[in-house]
Amino acid sequence: DSQMTQSPSTLSASVGDRVTITCRASHSVSNWLAWYQQKPGKAPKLLIYKTSTLESGVPSRFSGSLSGTEFTLTISSLQPDDFATYYCQQYETYSLFTFGPGTKVDVK
Amino acid sequence: EVQLLESGGDLVQPGGSLRLSCAASGFIFNDYAMNWVRQAPGKGLEWVSAISGSSGGIYYADSVKGRFTISRDNSKKTVYLQMDSLRADDTAVYYCAKRGPWELTNWGQGTLVTVSS
Repeated sequence: DSQMTQSPSTLSASVGDRVTITCRASHSVSNWLAWYQQKPGKAPKLLIYKTSTLESGVPSRFSGSLSGTEFTLTISSLQPDDFATYYCQQYETYSLFTFGPGTKVDVK
Repeated sequence: EVQLLESGGDLVQPGGSLRLSCAASGFIFNDYAMNWVRQAPGKGLEWVSAISGSSGGIYYADSVKGRFTISRDNSKKTVYLQMDSLRADDTAVYYCAKRGPWELTNWGQGTLVTVSS
């Protein structure tokens, strides 16, 4: 099974900062990766799917990309509502979704 | 609007059983695979199980295989997770989620399962 790593595990940032979170699979199984945002006590929310496609209603300051084997979530200008934990998820087979360990974005 | 409402979470003793339900609305239920994902307190997300729209494909994480059973009733637009032989490390919030091609597009609010004596 593929293992997902995310970095950093915690990121301290200020409103207006450009934020980048990376995700890597132990072995590449597909180019399809999703990103979720989760706030305390709430369910995860899909932000990006198929590596770079923005889910409907998600602000355009969020973007996703792939370079080599490294997937990236970028928030171009961090807003107060963006302080949360972010998870990547790769689809390995129909039966297997693998989540990264998460990146917490908190206030610097 | 897609809505998923989980229920059935409770405090249960180790070795006990529990059945979770997830009632769906706002989409053609039998067209979509459904998944269960859990999150232990203070931890990350762990995929648990999936069932195809027709129930022809059923899948489990190794950590729950042989103990949990997923099923669905398309007439009731509900997916279930029967959990047997529960252990302390099954303690988590359990989410049901509607599946897209490669991602989980909609999530319920979660239901808490606590396994403790």
